[in-house]
Amino acid sequence: NAGVMQNPRHLVRRRGQEARLRCSPMKGHSHVYWYRQLPEEGLKFMVYLQKENIIDESGMPKERFSAEFPKEGPSILRIQQVVRGDSAAYFCASTAWTSGTASTGELFFGEGSRLTVL
Amino acid sequence: QKEVEQNSGPLSVPEGAIASLNCTYSDRGSQSFFWYRQYSGKSPELIMFIYSNGDKEDGRFTAQLNKASQYVSLLIRDSQPSDSATYLCAVASSNDYKLSFGAGTTVTVRA
Repeated sequence: NAGVMQNPRHLVRRRGQEARLRCSPMKGHSHVYWYRQLPEEGLKFMVYLQKENIIDESGMPKERFSAEFPKEGPSILRIQQVVRGDSAAYFCASTAWTSGTASTGELFFGEGSRLTVL
Repeated sequence: QKEVEQNSGPLSVPEGAIASLNCTYSDRGSQSFFWYRQYSGKSPELIMFIYSNGDKEDGRFTAQLNKASQYVSLLIRDSQPSDSATYLCAVASSNDYKLSFGAGTTVTVRA
C-alpha cells in the first residue's frame, strides 16, 4: 500500500542553486497539492495540480517557483536560485476527490522534503 | 485576519486528562473541517473530519462544529503520552479543493 512518495527527504543547497522536489501521489490519485511548512508554523498552500494542468497556484511565489505534474512521472516542485528564506519542509499531498465534491476532502501527505539553504 | 486560527500552545496536560483544542475560521462558506496530527519531523495524518454542526466522536476524540460561530474544536479524552504532537486544524474553502491550515497547537501529555 504505497502512500505518497516524496524525494529527496532532505536536500541541502547553496544560495543561487536550484532545488527540485519530487512527489508521486497515491495509486489512483490524480490530484496533487504542495504545501510549505516553516518551523513553528502551519502548512501554507502553494499549488494544486492535476495531471498536465495547474488548477490553482495562488500560493506560489511569483518568481523562482514553478510546479508541474506531467502525464507520466511524478509532480515536481522547482525552486530556482534558492535563498535562505526558502529553507522549509515541503509537503506533497494527494487526494482522490473531484471538483465540487464537498463530502470528501482528506489529503494524504507524503513524509516531506526538507530543504536547507546554506 | 488569518483564515484559520488556533489557540496558541503549547498545551500541557497530565496523562488521563482531557485536552481541548480550539479553532476559528474566517470563510463563512467553509464546508468541511479536519483535524490532523503531526508528530515532530513527520507528516500530518488525518484523525477527524466533521461536516455538520454538533459533535462527532471517534474513540477518545470528539470534534465539535458550530458554523454560526465559525468555530471547531477537538477534545482528546484520557490523554496518553502518545498523543503528544502538534494538532492542525484545516478548513476546506468554499471552492472545496483547497485546505487552509492553522498554525497548530502543540500538545504535551505528561506521564
